[in-house]
Parts: sequence; C-alpha cells; structure tokens
Amino acid sequence: DAKTTQPTSMDCAEGRAANLPCNHSTISGNEYVYWYRQIHSQGPQYIIHGLKNNETNEMASLIITEDRKSSTLILPHATLRDTAVYYCIVRVGGGNNRKLIWGLGTSLAVNP
Amino acid sequence: GAVVSQHPSRVICKSGTSVKIECRSLDFQATTMFWYRQFPKKSLMLMATSNEGSKATYEQGVEKDKFLINHASLTLSTLTVTSAHPEDSSFYICSAWDRVKYEQYFGPGTRLTVT
Repeated sequence: DAKTTQPTSMDCAEGRAANLPCNHSTISGNEYVYWYRQIHSQGPQYIIHGLKNNETNEMASLIITEDRKSSTLILPHATLRDTAVYYCIVRVGGGNNRKLIWGLGTSLAVNP
Repeated sequence: GAVVSQHPSRVICKSGTSVKIECRSLDFQATTMFWYRQFPKKSLMLMATSNEGSKATYEQGVEKDKFLINHASLTLSTLTVTSAHPEDSSFYICSAWDRVKYEQYFGPGTRLTVT
C-alpha cells in the first residue's frame, strides 16, 4: 500500500500558484519524499525531492513540515501544461532496493 | 536531465504472440531498472526490479515466466511479454536509477494492445 495520501483532484487558475498537499504520517527518518507528475499517456516526470529541508528548483518548491508528516508541492505560476496527475511518494528501501510505491495521486486541472 | 527511452511506443499484437519492449538509459549507466504496468485511470504498479548482470526480482503476483526481463548491459533492459493475451493490454513503463544523481528517471511508456 502507498504510504501517502493526497486529495483526488484539485483545480487551479492559470497564472496562480498551485499548492498540492500530501500526508505521509508514517514516514521513516531516512525516507525521502519524492514528487512526480504524469501527463496523460506519458511516463512520469520527476519534479523534486527532499528529506527534511525545503527544496526549490526550476519547476517547483517543496515544503516539508518540521515533523515530516506532511508536505506541499508548490507550482508558483501554474500554466495549462501543468495539468497532470501529481504523485507524492516516499522512497522505501536502500542500496539497490529503491522501490517507489505509487498511490493514485492528485489530478490537477489548470483552468484558463 | 537524464533521458530514458522506450521502444516501441505503441504495439498491437495478436493473442498468443510475444512482444519485446526495450528500455534504454541514454546518458547514464543504470545498474537498476524498474518495470511498471499501468491500467487506465489507475496508478503505476511495479512489476519487477531489474539488476544488471543478475536475475530480476518480481513483485508478488507477477509471473516471471510470462514477463521475461533481461538486463544485459548498463544501458539496456528488455521486457518480453510471452504468449500475450488481451488482459495483458496495458501501458508499460520502465524507469532507470541514476546512481550518480541519486534519482530515478522514467521512460515515455509503451502502449501494448493485444487483439
């Protein structure tokens, strides 16, 4: 079973920030939080990942709560091309065992 | 960013035939690759973990004799669906682990339709 819970769907207006929440209350101390997105009929695209500090890259920002039980992915200025399913995943295992357990994700619709 | 390719992108085959799907890491070496299957409106389901030079590790419920995986080099893994049936029709996605960047990159997927 997936170790994360996300809202099924969200809407966002084009040009506004999209804030996608994720709960991972059973995360272990050495597990990372990963975010991917999948546009219809394509392979998942890596967005960002973090352990406990907030992270930012050219695509998004990741805010992780101090207790690490939840996080938020922020797309600062959403565009129509950001419409996709967004997956929040905690990475299990170590060494060569880097299985990603996928939930159902959040279907984000960016509206004009 | 790193690129993972899959070939073919789409394939239609007749029931009972076998289909091979290739997954390549184009600009990095991948000692570990993963194969997923995704049904419509469902999430990705891990089928197997492929390690270069050794046997693949299959997830529970995945038939290793039906889904043959070969990871003969650091840049290529193949998945062969043997004796395909209509229920094998799905979207198959591979991913490759970049041990230098410590990230996992995904291929674009292969749409298999068995008639």
